[in-house]
Amino acid sequence: GIQVEQSPPDLILQEGANSTLRCNFSDSVNNLQWFHQNPWGQLINLFYIPSGTKQNGRLSATTVATERYSLLYISSSQTTDSGVYFCAVERWAGGTSYGKLTFGQGTILTVHP
Amino acid sequence: DAGVTQSPTHLIKTRGQHVTLRCSPISGHKSVSWYQQVLGQGPQFIFQYYEKEERGRGNFPDRFSARQFPNYSSELNVNALLLGDSALYLCASSPPVGRGGYTFGSGTRLTVV
Repeated sequence: GIQVEQSPPDLILQEGANSTLRCNFSDSVNNLQWFHQNPWGQLINLFYIPSGTKQNGRLSATTVATERYSLLYISSSQTTDSGVYFCAVERWAGGTSYGKLTFGQGTILTVHP
Repeated sequence: DAGVTQSPTHLIKTRGQHVTLRCSPISGHKSVSWYQQVLGQGPQFIFQYYEKEERGRGNFPDRFSARQFPNYSSELNVNALLLGDSALYLCASSPPVGRGGYTFGSGTRLTVV
């Protein structure tokens, strides 16, 4: 199956700092998503980005599908950005989705005031 | 619009018992997937159901089963509970292929004692 590697595993920032999280995947994919998991366990979808670049406020993401990586940028970080960030990918079979997202191990982000 | 709803939010069971977890997808989504997340790891795929049929299954024992109802809601059943089944169980729904990513519910936190 597809392997997903995220880096760094842990990241500690001061409020206001910028950061870049990376996701490498081992095969071509049809779906790539970035999630933020809050302390209560809720997985919040940040981006659906199988290719290209998207921005949403202080967050942006870029996926270079041909080189099998994606980047999540967080600018002017806030304490509420703390939590675990997951990259997840899906590869379809025969044009059909089988619902299997493969997650990386996550990046634990801690933002101090 | 209501998101993905899961019930119950927390559950404590004894080894050997069985448990039923419930999920209602976003209105208009016909696909429901189930994931297990143990502490410190990314979610692991258990099942996908689409139009009431199992379409995908992860590497989980036969003690795990699921079904989907005509209104697209779903149940996950786990028999003969083991201590190792203690985890956060997440449900996700998704739109038709290529029209967006997965949206997750808040999860059910199962503790087996």
